[in-house]
Amino acid sequence: KQEVTQIPAALSVPEGENLVLNCSFTDSAIYNLQWFRQDPGKGLTSLLLIQSSQREQTSGRLNASLDKSSGRSTLYIAASQPGDSATYLCAVTGGDMRFGAGTRLTVKP
Amino acid sequence: DVKVTQSSRYLVKRTGEKVFLECVQDMDHENMFWYRQDPGLGLRLIYFSYDVKMKEKGDIPEGYSVSREKKERFSLILESASTNQTSMYLCASSPFEGTDTQYFGPGTRLTVL
Repeated sequence: KQEVTQIPAALSVPEGENLVLNCSFTDSAIYNLQWFRQDPGKGLTSLLLIQSSQREQTSGRLNASLDKSSGRSTLYIAASQPGDSATYLCAVTGGDMRFGAGTRLTVKP
Repeated sequence: DVKVTQSSRYLVKRTGEKVFLECVQDMDHENMFWYRQDPGLGLRLIYFSYDVKMKEKGDIPEGYSVSREKKERFSLILESASTNQTSMYLCASSPFEGTDTQYFGPGTRLTVL
């Protein structure tokens, strides 16, 4: 059974800092990996989707990488802003979709 | 844009009540999902459906049932609500099985007293 782990569970950084969120998974037989953002009390918004054949995806200040062989993905956020404060979840899709518990990010002004 | 709506943002019910959570999507997606989200546990799949009148159990179906009479609507039913079903419930839809992204609704925060 696929297990997805996100470390750290919470992260606090000053505005402007570059940061990396980590996601690891146990089974490398995946179709894709996604990063989602969740604001408090809200649903999930998809940020980036990396297909299994890809190594990375970029959207604006966000860059996600995928290393299937090691079972790892990172989400890089450049020049963080207070508006980036949210919980970030990664999810891997194999036969079904499995989620990590998320990293709660706080960006302080 | 895909829109997934859920009938209530917040719901308070008493133990033993029958509870209906409704989800509607407007993009003609085949697949619909119900998750619950609890602190430290992430999202856990309760039930999903690949077509009208079809349903499949997820990881934690006990205490829940579902109904999909129309393609756009997927209902989650708590037959007899219990306090351990207090949680955030998220509905999602996707056009294809397994390989495509899921689109999420805003969630329903259910409290069972």
